[in-house]
Amino acid sequence: RKEVEQDPGPFNVPEGATVAFNCTYSNSASQSFFWYRQDCRKEPKLLMSVYSSGNEDGRFTAQLNRASQYISLLIRDSKLSDSATYLCVVNPYSSASKIIFGSGTRLSIRP
Amino acid sequence: EAQVTQNPRYLITVTGKKLTVTCSQNMNHEYMSWYRQDPGLGLRQIYYSMNVEVTDKGDVPEGYKVSRKEKRNFPLILESPSPNQTSLYFCASSLWGLAGGREETQYFGPGTRLLVL
Repeated sequence: RKEVEQDPGPFNVPEGATVAFNCTYSNSASQSFFWYRQDCRKEPKLLMSVYSSGNEDGRFTAQLNRASQYISLLIRDSKLSDSATYLCVVNPYSSASKIIFGSGTRLSIRP
Repeated sequence: EAQVTQNPRYLITVTGKKLTVTCSQNMNHEYMSWYRQDPGLGLRQIYYSMNVEVTDKGDVPEGYKVSRKEKRNFPLILESPSPNQTSLYFCASSLWGLAGGREETQYFGPGTRLLVL
């Protein structure tokens, strides 16, 4: 089993829709979680950190479910500019040196 | 402007011809790291450095070398490139490593696309 798993998609949704995807992780001791966004052929950029209590940033909401070992990302009122690959990132060992990237979920927003 | 730069951005080379990909950051970050990204495999860590003269192996270090003589620079060296090193490479830095808080945010360079024939 991979340490961090994501549905590769693609998720193809109309503009204005709400879309959500999950990411599962295998190490129950993991402490830090993030969502990064990567546009085609570009570098990943931090979208948001995921806190135990969940957090929201505008149209984006991230949740952590420790019992089931997954994190989720919800995008409301999706825009064409949300089309990208979303990378789930986990620090599985509370390590100062290593994090694990999921292989990403591709999202495509259509007009 | 705070940034991580990499050079070259694109490189086509032949098997066995030594090459270096440079990485530089202007944010005074302690931690720097190299990743490769391949379809379906996500980003995999090659090497990382917690500070000057401190480097260590990541998940896929075979065939690569690094050095950290100055805080801002972290070059990736392929002594004898092979076709299986054809990939998209990213350099990244963060303030103090990955142990917690906003300091864990990694800032990535624009990527280097390498083709080894």
